[in-house]
Amino acid sequence: AQSVSQHNHHVILSEAASLELGCNYSYGGTVNLFWYVQYPGQHLQLLLKYFSGDPLVKGIKGFEAEFIKSKFSFNLRKPSVQWSDTAEYFCAVNQFERDDKIIFGKGTRLHILP
Amino acid sequence: NAGVTQTPKFQVLKTGQSMTLQCAQDMNHEYMSWYRQDPGMGLRLIHYSVGAGITDQGEVPNGYNVSRSTTEDFPLRLLSAAPSQTSVYFCACRGASYEQYFGPGTRLTVT
Repeated sequence: AQSVSQHNHHVILSEAASLELGCNYSYGGTVNLFWYVQYPGQHLQLLLKYFSGDPLVKGIKGFEAEFIKSKFSFNLRKPSVQWSDTAEYFCAVNQFERDDKIIFGKGTRLHILP
Repeated sequence: NAGVTQTPKFQVLKTGQSMTLQCAQDMNHEYMSWYRQDPGMGLRLIHYSVGAGITDQGEVPNGYNVSRSTTEDFPLRLLSAAPSQTSVYFCACRGASYEQYFGPGTRLTVT
């Protein structure tokens, strides 16, 4: 079965530190990839997405992610985090050639220390 | 535009009771889905629909029914609530760019 793995369940960083959150998926075919963010008490919002083309995609709020097909990975990065980045981050995969489901990882809870 | 709306925001049920979680969207998107969010489990897909009259199962469909009679509405029915269905439920619709728009969620407790 298709799956999405997020390796870091809980990350604690200080402000201005660099961030990288890992995401791997199990399907070998063509995929659409997403990162969503959920701020405390809010619903999910899209940070960025990859469909095709340049494997380095830029999203909102200074986030970027790199698609590495050979590693089945789509890691999220930010050079310098802010306290307001405290949230839960979810990677998601759509394997549109197989079915039309969008499957989420278990999430990474990010806590930024001021 | 309201986007995606869900009612109720909170609900407490007793084991064995049934209820329907409502979801409506005014974005005219064909694709809609229901997820449940549990601590440490992320979002798990319950059911989804690619258009009116068409529904399919997701990762965790047992204990839930859906129907899609219109583009706008996608209700989720709990047939006989169980404590394991205590969760936060999110409805979403998806546009042509594959971005999902989520509703505010329904927090359900089953005692």
